Amino acid sequence: DAKTTQPPSMDCAEGRAANLPCNHSTISGNEYVYWYRQIHSQGPQYIIHGLKNNETNEMASLIITEDRKSSTLILPHATLRDTAVYYCIVRPREGGGSNYKLTFGKGTLLTVNP
Amino acid sequence: DADVTQTPRNRITKTGKRIMLECSQTKGHDRMYWYRQDPGLGLRLIYYSFDVKDINKGEISDGYSVSRQAQAKFSLSLESAIPNQTALYFCATSDWRGTEAFFGQGTRLTVV
Repeated sequence: DAKTTQPPSMDCAEGRAANLPCNHSTISGNEYVYWYRQIHSQGPQYIIHGLKNNETNEMASLIITEDRKSSTLILPHATLRDTAVYYCIVRPREGGGSNYKLTFGKGTLLTVNP
Repeated sequence: DADVTQTPRNRITKTGKRIMLECSQTKGHDRMYWYRQDPGLGLRLIYYSFDVKDINKGEISDGYSVSRQAQAKFSLSLESAIPNQTALYFCATSDWRGTEAFFGQGTRLTVV
């Protein structure tokens, strides 16, 4: 069962902010929102994660709505190297069994144009 | 050197052959995973291991087996390869919190 919904593709101009949305209306209280990206069939790369507060690191910012039913990943100044498939994933931060796996959907293909 | 190394990177094999994909990690993590990716689709979990003595089936384990030879090594075997096992295979590792998973560069397997 899909736990997240993302647009299949988005375009962004180089140097501009890329805002990638994700809907996770069935998220439960102990589930975090994770973002990974996959550049052209390479191994996925962790970007950021959060529970309910906005988070920022050197790669991106994560904005989670107050009701936690959706979030937005922001790449503040997109470059051509940011062209990738971006995956939004929800799961418990810690735990055993199948809850521990990362469940990847189809993600959003972000294309950064010159 | 990469944190997670997969060998081989590319492999073409014939139907019915046994093949092993190997994964080693230098992160010191206990948890290791094998995923499969088909074109245009997300990654699907084949097997995961929480430590050397704890191995679990994922969502698509049929036709596959694994071996955790050491904390740093996790191998995936196809006992009798079939064409619909043609895919990109990824190994990953994480610590016990699972906050961040580290992936290898993948093995592109073609079964003819």
